[in-house]
Amino acid sequence: AQKITQTQPGMFVQEKEAVTLDCTYDTSDPSYGLFWYKQPSSGEMIFLIYQGSYDQQNATEGRYSLNFQKARKSANLVISASQLGDSAMYFCAMRETNDYKLSFGAGTTVTVRA
Amino acid sequence: GAVVSQHPSRVICKSGTSVKIECRSLDFQATTMFWYRQFPKKSLMLMATSNEGSKATYEQGVEKDKFLINHASLTLSTLTVTSAHPEDSSFYICSVRDRGDYGYTFGSGTRLTVV
Repeated sequence: AQKITQTQPGMFVQEKEAVTLDCTYDTSDPSYGLFWYKQPSSGEMIFLIYQGSYDQQNATEGRYSLNFQKARKSANLVISASQLGDSAMYFCAMRETNDYKLSFGAGTTVTVRA
Repeated sequence: GAVVSQHPSRVICKSGTSVKIECRSLDFQATTMFWYRQFPKKSLMLMATSNEGSKATYEQGVEKDKFLINHASLTLSTLTVTSAHPEDSSFYICSVRDRGDYGYTFGSGTRLTVV
């Protein structure tokens, strides 16, 4: 079964607007971590934000915020004030405590329009 | 986080030859490294977990004899694609299990083309 589901293959957003990328996950482990990575066309994986399963507050890092809804098992990424440089593929990933492997979603390609 | 260097960034090889990809942790002693494979516009698929001083743990469906992983030191893991074929052409990327709760640092990736 898929552990991480990203249902949006591609999204377009206007410069300076906000965009929300969906991510749902599946685990029976009470302790887990959720990650978002950005992958530009160069291929490098850039860490954006992390949310621990026991964190009470939603994580924020600059223009990135994570809308963590534990009961719904969702961890959506919100990018505010989009910039042209935000155009990239975005991956949601999860780490469970039984091992340290990261399970990745299928990714969402974001294209920011001027 | 750790500083991770992956080489080469691009390689073209002939069918039947072997290619070695290096992943170095420059400032952190990495007991665990991970190797992923990624097809264009697709997700990262974990191939194996590389443990320093012991055999790698391969994911189901990954050929151990095809993708040889060696993690002989705390700073270096290598992935060798043996007897490469065009279907092995892909983007290979390593990551280091870094310090802290959310410590994973990725290499810059290697684009392998087998002709």
